[in-house]
Amino acid sequence: SQQGEEDPQALSIQEGENATMNCSYKTSINNLQWYRQNSGRGLVHLILIRSNEREKHSGRLRVTLDTSKKSSSLLITASRAADTASYFCATDVGNKLVFGAGTILRVKS
Amino acid sequence: SAVISQKPSRDICQRGTSLTIQCQVDSQVTMMFWYRQQPGQSLTLIATANQGSEATYESGFVIDKFPISRPNLTFSTLTVSNMSPEDSSIYLCSVMGGGGNTEAFFGQGTRLTVV
Repeated sequence: SQQGEEDPQALSIQEGENATMNCSYKTSINNLQWYRQNSGRGLVHLILIRSNEREKHSGRLRVTLDTSKKSSSLLITASRAADTASYFCATDVGNKLVFGAGTILRVKS
Repeated sequence: SAVISQKPSRDICQRGTSLTIQCQVDSQVTMMFWYRQQPGQSLTLIATANQGSEATYESGFVIDKFPISRPNLTFSTLTVSNMSPEDSSIYLCSVMGGGGNTEAFFGQGTRLTVV
């Protein structure tokens, strides 16, 4: 079963705008990861944040983690049409990854 | 990092038949993971394939329906048996980075349509 819920389920924005996606999870975690999937292909790892970290940056990506609320957010700044994809959070539970429901992001040019 | 070659990339199959999906990794890994992604849904773990032992299946998945082979540390197959239209999904294999790194690497997926 899926570990977490993500919202929104779908997000449509204009190029240049920021996109924020949220993820909630249920159990204690060692880390939380975000992945991108283009058009039903394989997933690509974006960023990992450890349970003792609160915020992490990678290029245009910013991830926050609130373990007290069991939630995380992914912010993509200055979005581009190429960012159009599905985004999933995943938590490491017993040496396996459990994925959230995902957010479909569409960036209009 | 790991590079995973998965094939076929897509197939259209008749109900009642079986399809075997192959996954080749460019490095030796202890565990390989097989996921199913139903249309418009997230990934659900089918099983974990360990070399030299039987695969470990998640709740709701059974070996008779999804037999897995793991003959060595770089290769695994997943068979979808006696297919029905409900098996139409994307099937993905995955490995984790080594050295305690839980970042996952994925094959490009197999898009299966059962008619």
